[in-house]
Parts: sequence; C-alpha cells; structure tokens
Amino acid sequence: DTGVSQDPRHKITKRGQNVTFRCDPISEHNRLYWYRQTLGQGPEFLTYFQNEAQLEKSRLLSDRFSAERPKGSFSTLEIQHTEQGDSAMYLCASSRLAQAYNEQFFGPGTRLTVL
Amino acid sequence: QQQVKQSPQSLIVQKGGISIINCAYENTAFDYFPWYQQFPGKGPALLIAIRPDVSEKKEGRFTISFNKSAKQFSLHIMDSQPGDSATYFCAASGSFSGNTPLVFGKGTRLSVIA
Repeated sequence: DTGVSQDPRHKITKRGQNVTFRCDPISEHNRLYWYRQTLGQGPEFLTYFQNEAQLEKSRLLSDRFSAERPKGSFSTLEIQHTEQGDSAMYLCASSRLAQAYNEQFFGPGTRLTVL
Repeated sequence: QQQVKQSPQSLIVQKGGISIINCAYENTAFDYFPWYQQFPGKGPALLIAIRPDVSEKKEGRFTISFNKSAKQFSLHIMDSQPGDSATYFCAASGSFSGNTPLVFGKGTRLSVIA
C-alpha cells in the first residue's frame, strides 16, 4: 500500500494522559499536514512540515500539542494532558511540492476519544 | 471566521438524479479548489479539483463549475448512484504552486436513494 498510513487507528485515553500518533506519508512527498476533524465538521488545519521543517502552526495548536518530523520522513503528533475537547479524528495528509496542483492525499485518520 | 461556506448540509437525491453542492469563498487569494469525498470511518479522498483560470472541469460523472466574479463553485454529480452516498467537502487554498494548507467547508451529507 503506497498511500498515507496512520497509527493507531483508534485511541481511547483518560483525561490527563499523553497520547502520540504517527503518520507515514506517501514516499517522496515533501509536505506533510496534520488536520483535526470533529463530528459534523470539515477538517481543520493544525500544522504542516516541508521536509523536516515545521512551517506553520494554526492557533488551534495549543501548547499541549507538539508535532515533529525527524529526517523529513514520518511525523508524530503528541497531545499532553489530554482534555475531553481533544476528542476528534486526527488526519494526516501529504503532498509533493513540485506538483502543479496542491493535491493533498489523506490517511485514514486516528480517532481519539478522551474519557 | 468561516472562509469557505458550503450548502446544503444534507441532500437526498433519487438514483439517476443530479446532486448539486455549492460553496462560496471570501479570500480572493484562493486559487485552488478541490472537492473531497469521505465515507464513514475513512479519511477524505480527493475527487476533483479546479483552478480559477477555467470555468468548468469534468471528470466522468463529476463536474465542478466555477464562478470567479461571484466567488462561488459547485459540484455536480450526474446520474447519482447509491454508492455516491457519502459526505462531500469543498476546500480552497491560497497557492496551487505553494501547497498551502486547505480550508474546508463544513460538508454535505449526500444520500442517494433507489
């Protein structure tokens, strides 16, 4: 499978715990994006990387959130001290910078439930 | 501030009919407008996209119509099938060559009934 993969697919945690999600982009895709999607809403941008550099962070990304993309390959998104409001689907997408269109390809997402 | 407004929220169409979903944007810097299809429990899948230098793009049963002066674009699904039942999102971004983050509408839940 050469698509974007995410792990885990589902995560249930208790309030206050830390969680970490992983995203593996399509091979050779320079850009990697994290979005959050709550029920009945469209995806909302959180942050994105070009290779290993984090280029932009949304105001939605509070201090409890941190993302990394070591060596410009896979990326991790960590949420510290989770709150019930963090419950959502976390989506990862990737794109190739050199392509003519801003075609972003999404993974299946990680559904987080904070109890 | 919602930069991309999508309507309707939900849509029921008879099999074989035409499904029409509309979006309006505010930011004139947007120059790339994709539509995504999402099934329950799955990530969004890119369906079709358009740039503002053309007024229409067709791929199979899916057509995007674009009106730059009105800052509106729409998705038409011809000969709608039950398998098209999904949530559709319009989106926009600021630079087709810069691969900037996408701004999404709130989605339209389409149900195609036999």
